[in-house]
Amino acid sequence: EAQVTQNPRYLITVTGKKLTVTCSQNMNHEYMSWYRQDPGLGLRQIYYSMNVEVTDKGDVPEGYKVSRKEKRNFPLILESPSPNQTSLYFCASSLSRTGGGEGYTFGSGTRLTVV
Amino acid sequence: GENVEQHPSTLSVQEGDSAVIKCTYSDSASNYFPWYKQELGKGPQLIIDIRSNVGEKKDQRIAVTLNKTAKHFSLHITETQPEDSAVYFCAAIPGSARQLTFGSGTQLTVLP
Repeated sequence: EAQVTQNPRYLITVTGKKLTVTCSQNMNHEYMSWYRQDPGLGLRQIYYSMNVEVTDKGDVPEGYKVSRKEKRNFPLILESPSPNQTSLYFCASSLSRTGGGEGYTFGSGTRLTVV
Repeated sequence: GENVEQHPSTLSVQEGDSAVIKCTYSDSASNYFPWYKQELGKGPQLIIDIRSNVGEKKDQRIAVTLNKTAKHFSLHITETQPEDSAVYFCAAIPGSARQLTFGSGTQLTVLP
């Protein structure tokens, strides 16, 4: 089954404790992206990657890092999480930055709480 | 950069009625406008899209219209059903190397 797999689904952590949210896709997509979803603000892009070893900042990159060492994986790293990073996070992949005819394939989300 | 505004933020309709969600965009170079549906506990999923060279596109009970002059586009759902209850996001992307920008979302509730 074609899918984007995010882990974990839920995470509660403390301020300053480094964490990684993993994202893997099995569709051989070149484009991958991370979003955070907050009430009233919709989906805001954190980072994106056009291909292996090619990453760039989105609209809200502060406090986050990413890497794209393999085509299928695009982990999101919070080096020193803070409470304002409490949010619902989505990883997405697609054939292109527009999504093409099939659109973006989103993961099921990671609900992160930083206390 | 591109700015997409979406209205209303919440919408309740009776089953069988129509629902309309509206979005405006700021960048006149935007040329691709997808709509995503997010069901509870899931990631968004593409339901329909439209490109700037057409004014309307229809797929069964859903349709999207685009007014390039006014820079707005709308999602129309007819004969609504309970399974249409979800959060809907509009989005836009300019023709340059920019990224897809999403609206703030509309929570649609279809009342039985």
